[in-house]
Amino acid sequence: GESVGLHLPTLSVQEGDNSIINCAYSNSASDYFIWYKQESGKGPQFIIDIRSNMDKRQGQRVTVLLNKTVKHLSLQIAATQPGDSAVYFCAEASYGNKLVFGAGTILRVKS
Amino acid sequence: GAVVSQHPSRVICKSGTSVKIECRSLDFQATTMFWYRQFPKKSLMLMATSNEGSKATYEQGVEKDKFLINHASLTLSTLTVTSAHPEDSSFYICSARDGGGRAEAFFGQGTRLTVV
Repeated sequence: GESVGLHLPTLSVQEGDNSIINCAYSNSASDYFIWYKQESGKGPQFIIDIRSNMDKRQGQRVTVLLNKTVKHLSLQIAATQPGDSAVYFCAEASYGNKLVFGAGTILRVKS
Repeated sequence: GAVVSQHPSRVICKSGTSVKIECRSLDFQATTMFWYRQFPKKSLMLMATSNEGSKATYEQGVEKDKFLINHASLTLSTLTVTSAHPEDSSFYICSARDGGGRAEAFFGQGTRLTVV
């Protein structure tokens, strides 16, 4: 079946460095992608989204890149802070359909 | 952003009893709500999709008689775990999508269920 997966289960970065979290998806029909942040014991928190007609979108300290040719999605966090430590999930959907979540990447920020 | 409130955040129940979890959209009308289950260090597993006023659509392998879902209004959906057993212990999370049809869904804070 269709799936969304992640390359790296755990990422450790030094405080102040940039973080890059990667995600591969397999459903070529997906036209909407979202990155979520989940802290321990809490529900996922929306970070940023991107539609398939775009290849880059920027938010505050975060950038999402979409490469439809290789079905790859990435989340870049600039100047990573200890508060960024969490599990990050990518999710994909097509209009009106359910979200499919990737496996998740644990981001650890070292001070 | 839109706010989704889930209650309770934690619940402990005895084996064989039923537990109800509520999911409310506080500042928007949620035509669609989703219920997920999450095991430790794992991703979210979609259990079912509920649309207001109609029966929920369950994912393959999810027992609909075990996990009763009701979406009686545009702001409230409930998940009832019936005859709970220790293996039902998990983190349950709801999300809601507004009637505008955006794919983005907003999540509740989750419910930690422990069955003893």
